[in-house]
Amino acid sequence: KNEVEQSPQNLTAQEGEFITINCSYSVGISALHWLQQHPGGGIVSLFMLSSGKKKHGRLIATINIQEKHSSLHITASHPRDSAVYICAFKYNNNDMRFGAGTRLTVKP
Amino acid sequence: NAGVTQTPKFQVLKTGQSMTLQCAQDMNHNSMYWYRQDPGMGLRLIYYSASEGTTDKGEVPNGYNVSRLNKREFSLRLESAAPSQTSVYFCASSIQRLAAFGSGTRLTVV
Repeated sequence: KNEVEQSPQNLTAQEGEFITINCSYSVGISALHWLQQHPGGGIVSLFMLSSGKKKHGRLIATINIQEKHSSLHITASHPRDSAVYICAFKYNNNDMRFGAGTRLTVKP
Repeated sequence: NAGVTQTPKFQVLKTGQSMTLQCAQDMNHNSMYWYRQDPGMGLRLIYYSASEGTTDKGEVPNGYNVSRLNKREFSLRLESAAPSQTSVYFCASSIQRLAAFGSGTRLTVV
C-alpha cells in the first residue's frame, strides 16, 4: 500500500522549461509538505500548504484537498534546481508519510 | 546555528557488527525522529521521541534501538547489522509541524 504517490519518478528538462511534479494521496490530510533533497543528501522544506497556492521565487505549490492532489511547479528551470522533490503529509501526531520522490535533472 | 547534525556521513559494516548513529539538534525542538530511505520508497519512520525521556516505535523498528540522551541528542543503534539495513538514515527534529533534517548517513552492510 502506498498512501502517497508521486509522478513522474524521473524528469529531465532543458534549462528554462516549466516543470510540474504531481503528488496524489489517499487519506484525508490537513496539510502537505514539499521537500527538496539535494544531490548531497540534505533535505530542506520548501512549502507547507493546506489550501490554494503558495509561491516562493520560481517555485509554486498548489493543493486541492478535496481531490487529494498537489502539484509543485518550477518556472524558468535552472540546472541548480536539479534535486529530488518529495511530497509528504502528517500521518498522525508523530509520523509523516513520504512519497518516493521525483528526481529532476535540468540540463543547461 | 547548525540545525540538525548527524554523524557519521558514511559507514560500512560487516554483518553482525554494531554501531551507533548520532544526532544532535540545537533548535530546542521537543520531537526527534529517525527515518530510513530506500530506493523507490519514501522515508519510513524507525523510531521517534516526542520529548526528552520518551521513545516510541515507528513503522520499521525491528533491528534498531534508540536513546534520547537529553533534549538535544537522539541516537540510533544497530546491535547486529544485517544487509537489509543497508540504507540512508536521516535524523529529523520538529516543533509542531516544522521539520528539520540532518544531512543523512549512508550505511552499507556487507
